[in-house]
Amino acid sequence: RKEVEQDPGPFNVPEGATVAFNCTYSNSASQSFFWYRQDCRKEPKLLMSVYSSGNEDGRFTAQLNRASQYISLLIRDSKLSDSATYLCVVKWNRDDKIIFGKGTRLHILP
Amino acid sequence: EPEVTQTPSHQVTQMGQEVILRCVPISNHLYFYWYRQILGQKVEFLVSFYNNEISEKSEIFDDQFSVERPDGSNFTLKIRSTKLEDSAMYFCASRLQGHAFFGQGTRLTVV
Repeated sequence: RKEVEQDPGPFNVPEGATVAFNCTYSNSASQSFFWYRQDCRKEPKLLMSVYSSGNEDGRFTAQLNRASQYISLLIRDSKLSDSATYLCVVKWNRDDKIIFGKGTRLHILP
Repeated sequence: EPEVTQTPSHQVTQMGQEVILRCVPISNHLYFYWYRQILGQKVEFLVSFYNNEISEKSEIFDDQFSVERPDGSNFTLKIRSTKLEDSAMYFCASRLQGHAFFGQGTRLTVV
């Protein structure tokens, strides 16, 4: 069974703080990994892909630990506009399913 | 920037009626998906479609659901006899390789 589990939310974080989200996935078959962002009543939008060596995009850093089947997202210097739900997404390469975690809601407080 | 478009944005239908949700994926994409999201819940995979056939489907995608790509540009989801519990946001997505791009969704309300 292919499942994606995320930290429960909501996270209430003051502006400027650093926040980290975690995600675990089942089934160790080869996969691709992504973080998406979803604003209230909107569609999911890609935030960043997650690469094996870890990758950074401005204030956002994604890490992958295949041995522990674990993905993380770090947001530094958080802004009010970062308030959203962050979705951990896994695509298993042997089939065409793209599975979403339940999402972690983030509220940045002024 | 190319985008996935969905119509209508909101559909209200009576229980037992058939509905067709429409999507125009990004033109050079090869893989197509439907997802649903019940209010306040997770984005759930329904079905994937590649090379003019269903490649994967979930337990939710039962005989009441069907998909078609009738003309090489549109990708439709049909629900034959809607139930109250089919009320949700339905998202279409497409990809060439790598990540999927999502449409803005159709909010389906079954009354």
